[in-house]
Amino acid sequence: GIQVEQSPPDLILQEGANSTLRCNFSDSVNNLQWFHQNPWGQLINLFYIPSGTKQNGRLSATTVATERYSLLYISSSQTTDSGVYFCAVERGFQKLVFGTGTRLLVSP
Amino acid sequence: SQTIHQWPATLVQPVGSPLSLECTVEGTSNPNLYWYRQAAGRGLQLLFYSVGIGQISSEVPQNLSASRPQDRQFILSSKKLLLSDSGFYLCAWSVQTSSGNTIYFGEGSWLTVV
Repeated sequence: GIQVEQSPPDLILQEGANSTLRCNFSDSVNNLQWFHQNPWGQLINLFYIPSGTKQNGRLSATTVATERYSLLYISSSQTTDSGVYFCAVERGFQKLVFGTGTRLLVSP
Repeated sequence: SQTIHQWPATLVQPVGSPLSLECTVEGTSNPNLYWYRQAAGRGLQLLFYSVGIGQISSEVPQNLSASRPQDRQFILSSKKLLLSDSGFYLCAWSVQTSSGNTIYFGEGSWLTVV
């Protein structure tokens, strides 16, 4: 089956710093989504981004489908950005395969 | 607007006892429904998905089963829990729109089997 790898696995930032999270996938996909899981377990949709670039406030994402990777940029990080970030790719009929996750800790 | 709820939020059950987690979606019709499990804070694994009432597909062989008795209701069950069933269970729904197929998750249920 398709493999979805994320890097780095863990990231510690000082508040205000910028960061880039990467998602690599091993096969062609129908779509790609980025999620943030907060410390209480809630998974929140950040982007639906099968290709191209999107921005939402301090977050932006770019997917290069032909090269099978996606990047999530976090600028001016805040403590509330802490949590785990997942990318997930669609395989088959509306079934998401999740990546390994990047655990982010933003310290004040 | 659409909402999704699942319950109970936390559950501590002895080995060998039954399980029932329930999920309901409001504000949409004929959604695709999913059950995921997350162990150790990473790696969501798809357990079941459903495209309609009574239609259940299982992704991995396991000690669990799922049912969809109504359009917007999805239930995860077990007759006899194992220690390895402990984890964080997430229900989710999706509908294909012009923006694509975006998936939305419930609040999750923490299951501890003792």
